[in-house]
Amino acid sequence: NAGVTQTPKFRILKIGQSMTLQCTQDMNHNYMYWYRQDPGMGLKLIYYSVGAGITDKGEVPNGYNVSRSTTEDFPLRLELAAPSQTSVYFCASSYSTVAGPDLDIYEQYFGPGTRLTVT
Amino acid sequence: LAKTTQPISMDSYEGQEVNITCSHNNIATNDYITWYQQFPSQGPRFIIQGYKTKVTNEVASLFIPADRKSSTLSLPRVSLSDTAVYYCLVGAGNNDMRFGAGTRLTVKP
Repeated sequence: NAGVTQTPKFRILKIGQSMTLQCTQDMNHNYMYWYRQDPGMGLKLIYYSVGAGITDKGEVPNGYNVSRSTTEDFPLRLELAAPSQTSVYFCASSYSTVAGPDLDIYEQYFGPGTRLTVT
Repeated sequence: LAKTTQPISMDSYEGQEVNITCSHNNIATNDYITWYQQFPSQGPRFIIQGYKTKVTNEVASLFIPADRKSSTLSLPRVSLSDTAVYYCLVGAGNNDMRFGAGTRLTVKP
């Protein structure tokens, strides 16, 4: 299994441009997540999805959009790029989102990240 | 959402045991405690998860006292390759857990 893959690895955008960050997982996980990480900081949840066709906002959703048409793919869309969106973006997936009697762990599997610079 | 507090940084030497404590005073009944490790330019990697008492796996142990208001990640006999940022997360699901700034562990030769 390739796990969670993200493209592109690096991207430079001009202010106002748009782009889509791609994320694909081959583990048949229902749950997928998008995070951003600013220098020296922890990760902040942007959006998440509990299955195909279902998405919800996380901690910092403004300026982003997502869609989940298949189990495998969870693209993140930036419509009007701003310098404040300069960050490293991580996609993650998990089998479940809650622990339970039969699910001892619900670890997230992270992709390698996309480094985005908006100038 | 349960807030967590960890030391900003820690130093250790190869071969020593390292204990990183996380404070989470307002942990809820359904919350689990999860630790992740992150190397530079990589996504976080799951280390260990627990609810109460002690959990041990092949890389670490997690100690959780009865009141669950804190937890301690224990890394036995660290090596240079354990130099990383360690995050403590608390929550009942991945969508309500928050990554703080983490603890930057530096292992020296």
